Amino acid sequence: AQKVTQAQTEISVVEKEDVTLDCVYETRDTTYYLFWYKQPPSGELVFLIRRNSFDEQNEISGRYSWNFQKSTSSFNFTITASQVVDSAVYFCALRRGSTLGRLYFGRGTQLTVWP
Amino acid sequence: DGGITQSPKYLFRKEGQNVTLSCEQNLNHDAMYWYRQDPGQGLRLIYYSQIVNDFQKGDIAEGYSVSREKKESFPLTVTSAQKNPTAFYLCASSPRGDSYNEQFFGPGTRLTVL
Repeated sequence: AQKVTQAQTEISVVEKEDVTLDCVYETRDTTYYLFWYKQPPSGELVFLIRRNSFDEQNEISGRYSWNFQKSTSSFNFTITASQVVDSAVYFCALRRGSTLGRLYFGRGTQLTVWP
Repeated sequence: DGGITQSPKYLFRKEGQNVTLSCEQNLNHDAMYWYRQDPGQGLRLIYYSQIVNDFQKGDIAEGYSVSREKKESFPLTVTSAQKNPTAFYLCASSPRGDSYNEQFFGPGTRLTVL
């Protein structure tokens, strides 16, 4: 069975602090894909990043960075120098490589950045 | 501009009534999906469709029905059999069933049962 766990339900930080959102996944597939989405208060999910199981390189995009570690089945997301506009719910998701393209979502982490 | 539209944004329904949520995309995507979001529960898959005239149940299909008569449209009907329909409903699409492609999401419909 596929499972995505985001143990942090809510996180609050003050602007300019760094924050890491944790994501742990479970799958027996050797080929799979991991995603992060952002859901601002408007409700629409915004795609942030995808990573396949064969690519363990970390990625940095501006203030965002992602750390993928197969050894610990984790795909953590770090925001550096957080800003108020980063306040949102963040979802980690898993897609199997061998079936139709459905996503398995974690329960999300509500991030609040205070000015 | 290409994208996914969902209507209405807010929907109120009396108990015992069926209601249909609209989802339209002009991205020429083959696959479409319906998710339900409840507070603290993440997104749960209701139904999905890979091609026209074909769809599959997701994890929580009971009390819902869908149709896929056109590539660009994937309406969701919440029937009176759905015991707790109040939730936020999100529609998504992706180019094909290819796992590497991300899903694109619509703005959502918030359904409230009175």
